Amino acid sequence: KNEVEQSPQNLTAQEGEFITINCSYSVGISALHWLQQHPGGGIVSLFMLSSGKKKHGRLIATINIQEKHSSLHITASHPRDSAVYICAVYGGATNKLIFGTGTLLAVQP
Amino acid sequence: DAGITQSPRYKITETGRQVTLMCHQTWSHSYMFWYRQDLGHGLRLIYYSAAADITDKGEVPDGYVVSRSKTENFPLTLESATRSQTSVYFCASGTSRKNTEAFFGQGTRLTVV
Repeated sequence: KNEVEQSPQNLTAQEGEFITINCSYSVGISALHWLQQHPGGGIVSLFMLSSGKKKHGRLIATINIQEKHSSLHITASHPRDSAVYICAVYGGATNKLIFGTGTLLAVQP
Repeated sequence: DAGITQSPRYKITETGRQVTLMCHQTWSHSYMFWYRQDLGHGLRLIYYSAAADITDKGEVPDGYVVSRSKTENFPLTLESATRSQTSVYFCASGTSRKNTEAFFGQGTRLTVV
């Protein structure tokens, strides 16, 4: 079982919909990252959080340390939000960055 | 331009050949990382470097060699490429081992035939 699990693996939404991507992890962590990867493109860091909630524009990230769970929300989704969203945690037995396999989001106009 | 640059963006090479992927960053970050990304796997750490002349193995280091003679450069060499090394390679830099500021390059798509 992967130490970082994301759900869903694939998500298709209509423009304007509210989107939630989930990340669960099984190790102790000191930080959690949400990353965005556009098709054929590089990887951009969206958020780094260790508690609570962060907001940037239409993106909101939350984390519940007790439940070992984080969510990434996108409000008023747009086709340009179509990308792979990757959850990564820093921690575990070897103190390293552990990545989820990503959620492929397609927002249709 | 400031940032992190990988070259080449695409590379096709033959089995057994040596190939070097370049990574250059302009932020003077002390930490640099090499990852590979494969379908069904998350990004996996190959090697990382805490400073010039300091490198350490990551999760999947076999078949790879790195060096860091200058802070801004962190080349990754496949000494004798194998088909299993076909992947997308990402270089990243950061201010700490935790990669709390995760700056990634655009990636290099390597195909070994």
